[in-house]
Amino acid sequence: GESVGLHLPTLSVQEGDNSIINCAYSNSASDYFIWYKQESGKGPQFIIDIRSNMDKRQGQRVTVLLNKTVKHLSLQIAATQPGDSAVYFCAPMGSGGSYIPTFGRGTSLIVHP
Amino acid sequence: DSGVTQTPKHLITATGQRVTLRCSPRSGDLSVYWYQQSLDQGLQFLIQYYNGEERAKGNILERFSAQQFPDLHSELNLSSLELGDSALYFCASSQTQGISTNTEAFFGQGTRLTVV
Repeated sequence: GESVGLHLPTLSVQEGDNSIINCAYSNSASDYFIWYKQESGKGPQFIIDIRSNMDKRQGQRVTVLLNKTVKHLSLQIAATQPGDSAVYFCAPMGSGGSYIPTFGRGTSLIVHP
Repeated sequence: DSGVTQTPKHLITATGQRVTLRCSPRSGDLSVYWYQQSLDQGLQFLIQYYNGEERAKGNILERFSAQQFPDLHSELNLSSLELGDSALYFCASSQTQGISTNTEAFFGQGTRLTVV
C-alpha cells in the first residue's frame, strides 16, 4: 500500500505569515493528489488537487507544488489566518488504479493571532 | 455542511459489545467510504461500497463489517469491541466509484466511539 509521510507533524506560524506544509509519498505510480483540511470536530475537506502532469496549481491563497522526481508535495498557504488552523493531509492516489484517498498522520497547523 | 450525515455523533459502549454506525451519503452519490481516525494510526481507509456492492477493502478488521442498502445508506458494524477501537469513524461519499478531478469525496462529521 501507499506509504505517506509528513516532514513536520506540527507547524506554528504567526497570522499573516506564509505557511508551507510538506508531504512525501512513496509510490511513484501515484498520479493524482489531493490536499485535505480537517478542522477540529469536523471531517476532512477538499482544498486543492493536482494531477501528475502538472508541477504547480494555484487556488485561492493556496498553491500546491508537485515534484515527482523526489516524490514530494507541498501546500503553500499565503497570508495565513487563524481560520487556517487545522490538520492538513495529503492524499496520493492512482497507484494500482485505485482512486481512494489514503492519508498519513497529517500536519497540524497552528496560527497565532 | 457536506451533505453526508452520520449518526450517532457520539457513542459510548463497553468492551465486548457490538455497535452499528450509520451513514447517509449526499443525494445522488453512489459510493460510500468508511475511515477510522485514531490518535496513533491517523486516518485509515476501511472499506468502500458502490451502488450496494463492496468495491475496495483497506485495513478493516474481521470483527468489523459494513453494508450499503438499496437506498444507498451504509452501516458499519463493529463487534467484540476492544479499548483500541475507540476512535472517530468517518464516512465519505462520492458520485462515482473513485475520486478524480471531476468527482470529489465529501466527508461527514464523524461518529466518536468510546469503548470503556
